[in-house]
Amino acid sequence: AQKVTQAQTEISVVEKEDVTLDCVYETRDTTYYLFWYKQPPSGELVFLIRRNSFDEQNEISGRYSWNFQKSTSSFNFTITASQVVDSAVYFCALSDSNTGNQFYFGTGTSLTVIP
Amino acid sequence: KAGVTQTPRYLIKTRGQQVTLSCSPISGHRSVSWYQQTPGQGLQFLFEYFSETQRNKGNFPGRFSGRQFSNSRSEMNVSTLELGDSALYLCASRRPGLNTGELFFGEGSRLTVL
Repeated sequence: AQKVTQAQTEISVVEKEDVTLDCVYETRDTTYYLFWYKQPPSGELVFLIRRNSFDEQNEISGRYSWNFQKSTSSFNFTITASQVVDSAVYFCALSDSNTGNQFYFGTGTSLTVIP
Repeated sequence: KAGVTQTPRYLIKTRGQQVTLSCSPISGHRSVSWYQQTPGQGLQFLFEYFSETQRNKGNFPGRFSGRQFSNSRSEMNVSTLELGDSALYLCASRRPGLNTGELFFGEGSRLTVL
């Protein structure tokens, strides 16, 4: 069965600090997809990144970077030089080739960036 | 380009009533999914519709139902409301031709059952 674990429930950092949000996943499929979403107080889930299981290259987008390691079934997300606008709940999600239309979400990590 | 639009944004119902929520996907998107978000259970998949057909269904009782219209707009209905149905209901759409692509979410409909 598919499962996503975000062990960090809440994180607080001071502005300009770096922060890493952990995500560990479980699946028996060899083809699967991983995602990160940001949920601000408005409620809308904002898509950040999609990764397929065959692409282990790390990715950097501005202050955001993602570290995908199949060996440890992890897909961690780092925010460099955090800003107050980064305060939100972040969700990691998994879908697979068999049920690609269904996402399995982690429980989310609430990030607070203190000015 | 307009995003996913959900109505109503907030509503309050009492136990035993029923509710209908509406979702308009991004123009050109034909797949619509629904998720329930609660503090206790997190985000849980309800169902997905594609071309007016339910393609997948999550583990929810039959009180939860949905449909999709020819213009891809979707509605979900919850009958005989229970207190535990209080949640944020999120709708999402997906670009055509990419069954494993990212979902684009609306801001949700926040349902409170009293």
